[in-house]
Amino acid sequence: AQRVTQPEKLLSVFKGAPVELKCNYSYSGSPELFWYVQYSRQRLQLLLRHISRESIKGFTADLNKGETSFHLKKPFAQEEDSAMYYCALSEVKGGSYIPTFGRGTSLIVHP
Amino acid sequence: GAGVSQSPSNKVTEKGKDVELRCDPISGHTALYWYRQSLGQGLEFLIYFQGNSAPDKSGLPSDRFSAERTGGSVSTLTIQRTQQEDSAVYLCASSLAPGGGTDTQYFGPGTRLTVL
Repeated sequence: AQRVTQPEKLLSVFKGAPVELKCNYSYSGSPELFWYVQYSRQRLQLLLRHISRESIKGFTADLNKGETSFHLKKPFAQEEDSAMYYCALSEVKGGSYIPTFGRGTSLIVHP
Repeated sequence: GAGVSQSPSNKVTEKGKDVELRCDPISGHTALYWYRQSLGQGLEFLIYFQGNSAPDKSGLPSDRFSAERTGGSVSTLTIQRTQQEDSAVYLCASSLAPGGGTDTQYFGPGTRLTVL
């Protein structure tokens, strides 16, 4: 069975500090991994996905198959980055789409 | 264009009553998903529709939960004989096509269900 673990419920940093939100997964196949973000009073939305190898709002995430990790990083946190972040893994199995989300990490960036 | 909409935004009901939650996906999106977001529990996948068909219903927590989708568009999630543990935010999302890294889910604002 697939599983996504976000070990930190809360991460608190000061503005300008580096930030890393951890995500580990267990999955036997080739994973499709995503980070979703939910800002206060806004909808949950896609932040980035590993196959795009993109940087969004200064965030990057690298898939490490050896460590089964997909940590989200940003070198200099901003106050507007404060939000709830969810790591997610999707698996297409037998024509069905089965997504799994982690429990989320609340990021607070202090001024 | 309009995003995913859900109604009602808030629902307070008494234990034992039935409730129906509605989701209007983005026009043209063939895939539709229901999730439950409980405090401290993250997002729990409930069910997914490809068109009007739900290939896998195993994510539904109990047989009190059911969902349907008609016309490849609107979906309703029904909870019968609600219990207090059903209290949560129910999120709906839609995407152009199911699965894989090429697909992005667009979420609705959610329905906050409170069972007294």
